Amino acid sequence: DAGITQSPRHKVTETGTPVTLRCHQTENHRYMYWYRQDPGHGLRLIHYSYGVKDTDKGEVSDGYSVSRSKTEDFLLTLESATSSQTSVYFCAISESQQGPQETQYFGPGTRLLVL
Amino acid sequence: GQSLEQPSEVTAVEGAIVQINCTYQTSGFYGLSWYQQHDGGAPTFLSYNALDGLEETGRFSSFLSRSDSYGYLLLQELQMKDSASYFCAGISGYSTLTFGKGTMLLVSP
Repeated sequence: DAGITQSPRHKVTETGTPVTLRCHQTENHRYMYWYRQDPGHGLRLIHYSYGVKDTDKGEVSDGYSVSRSKTEDFLLTLESATSSQTSVYFCAISESQQGPQETQYFGPGTRLLVL
Repeated sequence: GQSLEQPSEVTAVEGAIVQINCTYQTSGFYGLSWYQQHDGGAPTFLSYNALDGLEETGRFSSFLSRSDSYGYLLLQELQMKDSASYFCAGISGYSTLTFGKGTMLLVSP
């Protein structure tokens, strides 16, 4: 058990409202990731973090922002939710402190529906 | 960037052997990982190949050929519980994974 939790697990919101998803880890790992998963697209990287206050964009970062003020928490914010952001969101951590981050452990996911 | 191609669906029967292929186009490629995801669940790590050749982990094996930009996941002695989606993922830039779109494996009795 990699000690990753996500909250909320399910959320329904309306277009134009802000939404924040939380990822929490208990293992003190350096690297954390946010992905979205949609039918026909697999898993796509939104943003990732390689340390406190150190973040970078992924493949599908438009419309999303992230923050990491402490090691254990990585927040994903949709500033103004749109229907195209309806998806399942997964957080992941990597155990490696350096080198290729090939082994990632995923949280249980958050199902977000934007009406 | 990277792109990875894998079949969308593979079917097999219990006890059989199945191979899921993955071809990739990438720059800065470090290695190939494989993940399993059961319906409604989180992806779980299966294997990683940094070097050419075969890596074996129980009933699962993974192969990489850098010269051919190709890898595969081999599942032996298939069980019903192996029905799931399988994703290959390439590592680029050291820190991030790019996933293929996934292969749904259906195991029938």
